[in-house]
Amino acid sequence: SYVLTQPPSVSVAPGQTARITCGGNNIGSKSVHWYQQKPGQAPVLVVYDDSDRPSGIPERFSGSNSGNTATLTISRVEAGDEADYYCQVWDSSSDHPGVFGGGTKLTVL
Amino acid sequence: QVQLQESGPGLVKPSETLSLTCGVSGYSISSAYYWGWIRQPPGKGLECIGSIYQSGSTYYNPSLKSRVTISLDTSKNQFSLKLSSVTAADTAVYYCARQRGYSYFDYWGQGTLVTVSS
Repeated sequence: SYVLTQPPSVSVAPGQTARITCGGNNIGSKSVHWYQQKPGQAPVLVVYDDSDRPSGIPERFSGSNSGNTATLTISRVEAGDEADYYCQVWDSSSDHPGVFGGGTKLTVL
Repeated sequence: QVQLQESGPGLVKPSETLSLTCGVSGYSISSAYYWGWIRQPPGKGLECIGSIYQSGSTYYNPSLKSRVTISLDTSKNQFSLKLSSVTAADTAVYYCARQRGYSYFDYWGQGTLVTVSS
């Protein structure tokens, strides 16, 4: 079935920009969604349909998707952004409703 | 405000069937959304188990399909998960969530830990 590949970890200093990638075969043809998960909490949707933000999510969170890579960008990173981030798609070829990437731990230095 | 709450046994014996229920408030599960189950083994990533549409159509993770049943109970506004022949590898936090059609999970329950052990 469809596979999404994320880097295990990304580190960034406060105030800088973090970019978390999600690789998949022709992922640009799919809608990609991103979740933030802090320890002991349920995931929270931060970007949907490649680049849209749910109500209440800061503008610092943005997304893009093209070719074989989707990217979550977090601008002006804050200590509170430290969390695990997961990308997700619906794999229509197998009717798998929720393929997730392996997750990326964002560390704020 | 849409709210979801998982319930069920926290301990299941190997080879038995894991059964969980997700109660939904603030939204009717008979409306046009999907309702899904996602799990997360301790210290690991998220894995979608499957989803069910308000019509009753189901969509399962191919790797779990032979062991999974998801169903709706519209009279109680809840949906359920059954996972058969469990092993220690099925130990995880299980989340229920609302899913937009062919798309993202926008509301999640708080999760419930299920341990498979004798």
